[in-house]
Amino acid sequence: AQSVTQLGSHVSVSEGALVLLRCNYSSSVPPYLFWYVQYPNQGLQLLLKYTSAATLVKGINGFEAEFKKSETSFHLTKPSAHMSDAAEYFCAVSDLESFQKLVFGTGTRLLVSP
Amino acid sequence: DTGVSQDPRHKITKRGQNVTFRCDPISEHNRLYWYRQTLGQGPEFLTYFQNEAQLEKSRLLSDRFSAERPKGSFSTLEIQRTEQGDSAMYLCASSLEFGPTETQYFGPGTRLLVL
Repeated sequence: AQSVTQLGSHVSVSEGALVLLRCNYSSSVPPYLFWYVQYPNQGLQLLLKYTSAATLVKGINGFEAEFKKSETSFHLTKPSAHMSDAAEYFCAVSDLESFQKLVFGTGTRLLVSP
Repeated sequence: DTGVSQDPRHKITKRGQNVTFRCDPISEHNRLYWYRQTLGQGPEFLTYFQNEAQLEKSRLLSDRFSAERPKGSFSTLEIQRTEQGDSAMYLCASSLEFGPTETQYFGPGTRLLVL
C-alpha cells in the first residue's frame, strides 16, 4: 500500500526566506502525489499534484514541488515566504488499490515570522 | 461554483448521544468521500460513494457509524452512541474526475467534541 512520510511537524522561517517542506513516499508502483494546505478552521485546498507529466510541478501561491524517484521524495518549496503562508501542509498519495482515496501524511505546520 | 459545504460546522454532544452531519458536494460531482482528522494528524479515509452507491468503508468505520447518499447528491454521516474517542474533525470531499490524479475538493469540516 502507498504511504507518505512528512519529516518535521513544525517548520519555522522568516518572511522572505526559502520554504522547504519534506515529503517522502513509499509505493511499489509509480505514485500520484498531492500537496494540500489547511488554514485554521478551514478545509483542505489543493496546492499542486504530480501526475507523471512533469517532474517539476508548479502550484498556486508560488509553490512548487519536484518529484525525485531516486530519492522517493516530493518536497514542497517556495522561494520567498509570506506571512499568509502560515498554515498546515499535508502531503498525500493516491491509493491505487482503493478507488483513489487519499492517504495523507501527518502534516507540517509552517510558521512564518516577520 | 459554491464549493463543498458541511453542516454543522461545530457540534458538542454528550457521550452516548447520536449525531448526524451533512455534506453537500459540488454540483454534479458524482464521487464523495468522508475523512476523519484528529488533532495533530492528517485526514484518514472513512468511506466513499460513487453516486448513491457506497463502494468502500474503512475499518475505522465501526458499526456505530453509518453514511448515506440517498439520491447521489448530499450525504449524511451518523454516529450512534458517541464516545469521547469520536471527537475529531469530519471532512467531506467531492470530485468529478475519475482516476488516480483526480482532484478532491474538501469542505470546511464539522468539528465534533464529545464530552
